[in-house]
Amino acid sequence: EAGVAQSPRYKIIEKRQSVAFWCNPISGHATLYWYQQILGQGPKLLIQFQNNGVVDDSQLPKDRFSAERLKGVDSTLKIQPAKLEDSAVYLCASSLEFDPYGYGYTFGSGTRLTVV
Amino acid sequence: GQSLEQPSEVTAVEGAIVQINCTYQTSGFYGLSWYQQHDGGAPTFLSYNALDGLEETGRFSSFLSRSDSYGYLLLQELQMKDSASYFCAVDGGSNYQLIWGAGTKLIIKP
Repeated sequence: EAGVAQSPRYKIIEKRQSVAFWCNPISGHATLYWYQQILGQGPKLLIQFQNNGVVDDSQLPKDRFSAERLKGVDSTLKIQPAKLEDSAVYLCASSLEFDPYGYGYTFGSGTRLTVV
Repeated sequence: GQSLEQPSEVTAVEGAIVQINCTYQTSGFYGLSWYQQHDGGAPTFLSYNALDGLEETGRFSSFLSRSDSYGYLLLQELQMKDSASYFCAVDGGSNYQLIWGAGTKLIIKP
């Protein structure tokens, strides 16, 4: 089966600019996750969707980050305006069903964002 | 607070055995997962322990002691391709979030 697709692979922007990341999960996977991974740290969950509804966005900085998952398939994550501390790898993952233990997580290769 | 601790870096020799430890402090606990991540790559699931004891999958084994809030990943017959970062992750929060450790960079020398 095809994996989780993410684009772009790399992005460099200046602070205060906006940026958007795109994720296409594995076909049929109902649950989609966006993670932020800062260099040298473990992934941090930003938002979790079940189909096109939000399950958890408690760690999403809502003043600058937004995410949507239209039609329960593709998802976009946006940052506006970006700050230097947003430099990180943004990982998208999907699973077949609600999967709290990460059994069935499949991660995309991520988007490496550098804010200068 | 909730936290996981694992060594930042471990070095081993090709063909040897290495153990990566993880201790956790979480308000709730359902299980401990291990993930592997190569540089520039995506995390990939390795193992999951919900009950005490050892789970073996090929060259990799994972152990859990719930009473000690401790687990480890054991890698045997190390190969150069095992050079990667290894993360432990616990479901201990609300909404079944995985809480991740900072990762252990495994360096393998020939």
